[in-house]
Amino acid sequence: QKEVEQNSGPLSVPEGAIASLNCTYSDRGSQSFFWYRQYSGKSPELIMSIYSNGDKEDGRFTAQLNKASQYVSLLIRDSQPSDSATYLCAVKMIQGAQKLVFGQGTRLTINP
Amino acid sequence: SQTIHQWPATLVQPVGSPLSLECTVEGTSNPNLYWYRQAAGRGLQLLFYSVGIGQISSEVPQNLSASRPQDRQFILSSKKLLLSDSGFYLCAWSVIQGQPQHFGDGTRLSIL
Repeated sequence: QKEVEQNSGPLSVPEGAIASLNCTYSDRGSQSFFWYRQYSGKSPELIMSIYSNGDKEDGRFTAQLNKASQYVSLLIRDSQPSDSATYLCAVKMIQGAQKLVFGQGTRLTINP
Repeated sequence: SQTIHQWPATLVQPVGSPLSLECTVEGTSNPNLYWYRQAAGRGLQLLFYSVGIGQISSEVPQNLSASRPQDRQFILSSKKLLLSDSGFYLCAWSVIQGQPQHFGDGTRLSIL
């Protein structure tokens, strides 16, 4: 089992709809979770951090964390073509706490 | 505010040539520093990280090395590049070990 797993996609969503991106992780003791957005040819950009169970909202973005199920998700409301990018899930695990473990990323395309 | 500088943006090198990529961080002291490589269409592979001057941890055995000669300077080197060294090299920093990490603009390295 990979430490952090994401569906590679591509995930295609119509403009204005909700895009749902999912991530599972293997270390039950993990405490910190991050979502990065990476446009093609660019470096990853941090868009959300979440540390507690439940939802955290920031503008059109909502991160959801369920530690019991070892599951973290990112919802993008009112999707825009500019949201088309690869979204990377990153987890700080108990072992190797100096580093983050990244998933492979989900490629999201928003169709006008 | 903190900024991270990484150069060059693009580099084309022949097989067997040496490599030196540099990364500097401004606006913070004693950052944790990271080097990642991202192959085309792939996830982020952590190569090295450093929690202080002269302290380097290697994640993947290979023909690359890293050094941290100053608090906010991180250098990635190779004596002889291989074709498999091609990729997108990203430097990142964080205040607290492992979280969250902020990336430089990256260096796209092509080996001919």
